[in-house]
Amino acid sequence: GQQVMQIPQYQHVQEGEDFTTYCNSSTTLSNIQWYKQRPGGHPVFLIQLVKSGEVKKQKRLTFQFGEAKKNSSLHITATQTTDVGTYFCAGWIWYGKLTFGQGTILTVHP
Amino acid sequence: GAVVSQHPSRVICKSGTSVKIECRSLDFQATTMFWYRQFPKQSLMLMATSNEGSKATYEQGVEKDKFLINHASLTLSTLTVTSAHPEDSSFYICSAPQGDRQETQYFGPGTRLLVL
Repeated sequence: GQQVMQIPQYQHVQEGEDFTTYCNSSTTLSNIQWYKQRPGGHPVFLIQLVKSGEVKKQKRLTFQFGEAKKNSSLHITATQTTDVGTYFCAGWIWYGKLTFGQGTILTVHP
Repeated sequence: GAVVSQHPSRVICKSGTSVKIECRSLDFQATTMFWYRQFPKQSLMLMATSNEGSKATYEQGVEKDKFLINHASLTLSTLTVTSAHPEDSSFYICSAPQGDRQETQYFGPGTRLLVL
């Protein structure tokens, strides 16, 4: 079945440092979505990437979708303590099932 | 964005009892809803797809007789954990898709189930 691998599992950074998490799918994706889950909370939709090679930015967050539509990355510039949480990628394939990556737990030390 | 509610937010029950969790889409209709389970520090695992007016579709390894799903209306899906055991303790989250191609998922706040 479809698998979405996400690395790293954990990332500890000092406030102000950059952070990147990577996703790789075993199959070509219709689109890829990114979610953030704060400790004790539920996943919150951040963004969806659809086009091959697409790059989108949200303030300090940059999302990329690979040319082959099988990999994606989320990069946070100059992390802040409010960035703490688990970041999940989720791949959507044509028959309508969202498969989540394992998530990257980000901790930011002030 | 769209709002999905879940009730209860937290439940503690004795082993052997059944627990019902409700998922509601508050400002849109959802013919499909998804139920996920999340163990601590792990990813979301899709349990089943709830379909309004028809039977739910269960993922491999999920017992349909243990996790009963009913999609009673276009805004309500329920998950009943029957004869709950301690290993069923988890965070249960529902989601409902929205958007032009029904691909964006809006998640409920989740239900933390603890079975003693």
